[in-house]
Amino acid sequence: QSVLTQPPSVSGAPGQRVTISCTGSSSNIGAGYDVHWYQQLPGTAPKLLIYGNSNRPSGVPDRFSGSKSGTSASLAISGLQAEDEADYYCQSYDSSLSGYVFGGGTKLTVL
Amino acid sequence: EVQLVQSGAEVKKPGESLKISCKGSGYSFTSYWIGWVRQMPGKGLEWMGIIYPGDSDTRYSPSFQGQVTISADKSISTAYLQWSSLKASDTAMYYCARLNNWNLDYWGQGTLVTVSS
Repeated sequence: QSVLTQPPSVSGAPGQRVTISCTGSSSNIGAGYDVHWYQQLPGTAPKLLIYGNSNRPSGVPDRFSGSKSGTSASLAISGLQAEDEADYYCQSYDSSLSGYVFGGGTKLTVL
Repeated sequence: EVQLVQSGAEVKKPGESLKISCKGSGYSFTSYWIGWVRQMPGKGLEWMGIIYPGDSDTRYSPSFQGQVTISADKSISTAYLQWSSLKASDTAMYYCARLNNWNLDYWGQGTLVTVSS
């Protein structure tokens, strides 16, 4: 059971917008710790997609956006493309565990 | 260019020991924590622990405390993950990554460890 909860899967047609939620608690997201998002394409290492809740590293398309509110965060992907089909993970820090935690991951399928 | 290059795939038997490596380049290796992440077959990412190569300060996730040892040799910009007695359940892909402002901004390519009799 992951400390951060994500839906196991989401799907959308090309061009559509999808969102992936990441629900935490008062010891992690709700405590003010930032949320970061990673994209893992099939057979590859994860890649940082969003950092500090809503910031994109250089080279990440602006189709990807992040937000945070209360004890939850969301990743939105607009203008879905076939190449976006991947696993997505949220990550934060948990003060009760005194360590970093990942969400369980969400598999995005582009229909 | 920041790079983390990990050692190659390993096939081991239960009970054997193993040490895998992660060599950093393109940045000040002693100034950033290095994290290790496990990904079991078909499963999600699990945070194992982190090390600060500057002084070898190490923090383990509770699930991995006592199960693995994380170390670093700053003279050769390399971090390590080691097991003293492998189990079949240690079969997984292991990633190292640089910790920067609470996130993992650069990742190694991964090391596949297979433990089978």
